Amino acid sequence: SQKIEQNSEALNIQEGKTATLTCNYTNYSPAYLQWYRQDPGRGPVFLLLIRENEKEKRKERLKVTFDTTLKQSLFHITASQPADSATYLCALVASGTYKYIFGTGTRLKVLA
Amino acid sequence: GAGVSQSPSNKVTEKGKDVELRCDPISGHTALYWYRQSLGQGLEFLIYFQGNSAPDKSGLPSDRFSAERTGGSVSTLTIQRTQQEDSAVYLCASSLTQVGGRGAFFGQGTRLTVV
Repeated sequence: SQKIEQNSEALNIQEGKTATLTCNYTNYSPAYLQWYRQDPGRGPVFLLLIRENEKEKRKERLKVTFDTTLKQSLFHITASQPADSATYLCALVASGTYKYIFGTGTRLKVLA
Repeated sequence: GAGVSQSPSNKVTEKGKDVELRCDPISGHTALYWYRQSLGQGLEFLIYFQGNSAPDKSGLPSDRFSAERTGGSVSTLTIQRTQQEDSAVYLCASSLTQVGGRGAFFGQGTRLTVV
């Protein structure tokens, strides 16, 4: 069956360090993989998109990698700040479709 | 408006009553989505609109759930004869195109509590 897995345990890191979050999937052939941030009581906010033929994408302190052989995406936040504390969701969009399939998210807490 | 707007932000209803949830997407966005998020859970796909038509209703949990979109803009999600298991946050999102090559923009959600 199709599955998207994110580490359900919260990730605590010290301010200034790099946070790395993982998104693994099975039985999908995603054309796009996206990362969203969600704060408590709010809707998800789009951060970055990476296409199946791209290995890496950067935006300011954010970096996303996409390995279609490993069926995995890594999401990095460098020089993390307490304001980066939130839940981060990955979402897949399969080739030729429109449906965003979301993982359950990983809660990140950056400690001052 | 500048973003996706949902109303009401909170709704408490008695079991068995009908509720209507409204979504006003970003102007010009042809794709519109409804998701449901239960406490501590991921987003569960409900329905997708392209313009006014809904090519995919596969996520609607039962025939008590229906949705429509008029004028390629505002959408309403209706839940009839609400049950306690319907309690969740209902999120609406819109996107510029129907293919996922761009991000989806979410509203703040409607928190539905069925008592």
